[in-house]
Amino acid sequence: QVQLVQSGSELKKPGASVKISCKASGYNFRTYGINWVRQAPGRGLEWMGWINTNTGSPTYDQGFTGRFVFSLDTSVSTTYLQISSLKAEDTAVYYCARDRDIVVVAGASDFDYWGQGTLVTVSS
Amino acid sequence: QFVVTQSPSASASLGASVKLTCTLSSGHTYYAIAWHQQQPGKGPRYLMKVNSDGSHRKGDGIPDRFSGSGSGAERYLTISSLQSEDEADYYCQTWGTGVRLLFGGGTKLTVL
Repeated sequence: QVQLVQSGSELKKPGASVKISCKASGYNFRTYGINWVRQAPGRGLEWMGWINTNTGSPTYDQGFTGRFVFSLDTSVSTTYLQISSLKAEDTAVYYCARDRDIVVVAGASDFDYWGQGTLVTVSS
Repeated sequence: QFVVTQSPSASASLGASVKLTCTLSSGHTYYAIAWHQQQPGKGPRYLMKVNSDGSHRKGDGIPDRFSGSGSGAERYLTISSLQSEDEADYYCQTWGTGVRLLFGGGTKLTVL
């Protein structure tokens, strides 16, 4: 069955970097794009962007350019989210989610499978 | 401006039915939406896609108690025979050509 398994919680100091992973299984990894979604404490879901798992090309939504980087390693069916120069307001749960449709551009599909989430806490 | 709107809260009794609404902004009434459920302390779970004609396609393993429909700018999620585990936040998601992928603010469903 399709699964997205994310890495564990992280506690970081302001200014540091973090890299979280999302490992896919149960399907052809390169067929469906992967999205990243942020959920701040007590808040709703916010789409950060998408990575084309066939080409590795990322697309970032507004507000998530500069310090946020999506990458992937197809050999282990894993996508990554790296956040640099962490700030307290980056404290959130970050989810990866798979496109339901086979699409070649960002924001063109709903999401049918989600990772369990990774809590990133930024605190001095 | 393209927005999707949800009521912040809803409530219904155990065993009853409830209909949640997601409203698309004017000029975007032909877009499909998806519904996701987020139980307390858990990640989201995909429920279904609801098309502009009201037809819907559910995700894997979603019980028959969950159904979708639509009319004009509104897309609905109906949950029948409410169970305690249905108490959750429900988010609608919309996407499409020329618009940003967006989530609604979510509806917190309380099962009484």
